[in-house]
Amino acid sequence: EVQLVESGGGLVQPGGSLRLSCSASGFTFRNYAMHWVRQAPGKGLESVSVISSNGGSTYYADSVKGRFTIARDNSKNTLFLQMSSLRTEDTAVYYCVKDGYSSSWYYFEYWGQGTLVIVSS
Amino acid sequence: DIQMTQSPSSLSASVGDRVTIACRASQSISSYLNWYQQKPGKAPKLLIYGASSLQSGVPSRFSGSGSGTDFTLTISSLQPEDFATYYCQQSHSTPRTFGQGTKVEIK
Repeated sequence: EVQLVESGGGLVQPGGSLRLSCSASGFTFRNYAMHWVRQAPGKGLESVSVISSNGGSTYYADSVKGRFTIARDNSKNTLFLQMSSLRTEDTAVYYCVKDGYSSSWYYFEYWGQGTLVIVSS
Repeated sequence: DIQMTQSPSSLSASVGDRVTIACRASQSISSYLNWYQQKPGKAPKLLIYGASSLQSGVPSRFSGSGSGTDFTLTISSLQPEDFATYYCQQSHSTPRTFGQGTKVEIK
């Protein structure tokens, strides 16, 4: 059974930093790209960042570029999101997501339960 | 970035109704279109990928159609457990953008 368990969320002041972790199990972690997706309270879904299976390629949404860093440790089946210079608009539930594919179709196959980040003074 | 627009933003329906949700992409995305269901306090769940392929375990009352820029999610006979918010997402290019969501409520 695929499991994705996020941790590291919490309350942080504007300008502060936080590091999210996602522990993965139930699949061969090193074979899949991984994503962070966030959802502000009462709002829709936003793809924040993605990292390739070997960590060699990353992407960031414009809203977080230069402030967030995605990384992974394939030896420990763990995904990270280092967040710095946090803003109130970064307040959201952050989901760790496993990429999936079938033939040429790609999709967000499995989601963690999410971890809440609140940026407030 | 490719913009995804869903309509309507919300709808009210009764158990047993046929429900249709539309999704439009700002440029052609072939059939690189996925649909997700999200219930309050829960993570989204994949329903359909490749515009029309049903994810394993998803009831057959859910179906998807379309290609290019216009897509549709249909629930043939709405069940009590289907009241939720539905999101479309394009997987044609990065970032994999989402529609704003359609909330299906009980009439």
